Amino acid sequence: QSVLTQPPSVSAAPGQKVTISCSGSSSNIGNNYVSWYQQVPGTAPKLLIYDNNRRPSGIPDRFSGSKSGTSATLGITGLQTGDEADYYCGTWDSSLSAGVFGGGTKLTVL
Amino acid sequence: QLQLQESGPGLVKPSETLSLTCTVSGGSIDRSDYYWAWIRQPPGKGLEWIGNIYYTGSTYYSPPLKSRVTISVDTFKNQFSLKLRSVTAADTAVYYCARRPHNSFKFDYWGQGTLVTVSS
Repeated sequence: QSVLTQPPSVSAAPGQKVTISCSGSSSNIGNNYVSWYQQVPGTAPKLLIYDNNRRPSGIPDRFSGSKSGTSATLGITGLQTGDEADYYCGTWDSSLSAGVFGGGTKLTVL
Repeated sequence: QLQLQESGPGLVKPSETLSLTCTVSGGSIDRSDYYWAWIRQPPGKGLEWIGNIYYTGSTYYSPPLKSRVTISVDTFKNQFSLKLRSVTAADTAVYYCARRPHNSFKFDYWGQGTLVTVSS
């Protein structure tokens, strides 16, 4: 059971928009920055979003992040078949003094 | 360009110690602005943070693993290492090493990962 809760799967058609939620508590998301990762099966995770809503260089602006209270959201617009992957949120938990990840969300582009 | 590469045995017997090393190239490990981390992923499951180390040797460990884990750093070899004692089949996973900036919870560089199977 992960400390952060994500939906197991989401799906949408090419060109559409999708959001992936990440729910936590005041000891993690509520008081720390959130990052998001994209993982194509068989490869290492790739950083998509950090500090809640910042994109590393090279990440298109189709990917966005937001945070409100103890929840964070990853948004992807203009879906492409290449976006099919697993997506993970992560943050620091101040009570545990440990890093924590969500269980992951599988994105299917129909 | 920074690169991280995991190395170590791909098969470990139950009750023995899993030992992995991450070699960092293209940058120095003894910088004050980064942590160096281990993360694992059991087959078909999600990511699990194991712990991280600062170049000074200070560490943070996942509470469920804390009693069995040691992460160490060798600044001369530009490497950091993971030891996980008393392994069981539940420790079978792809193990990743990664870099984390000191002032942010983000893993911006990752190794390719190495599969470690615990089996007799």
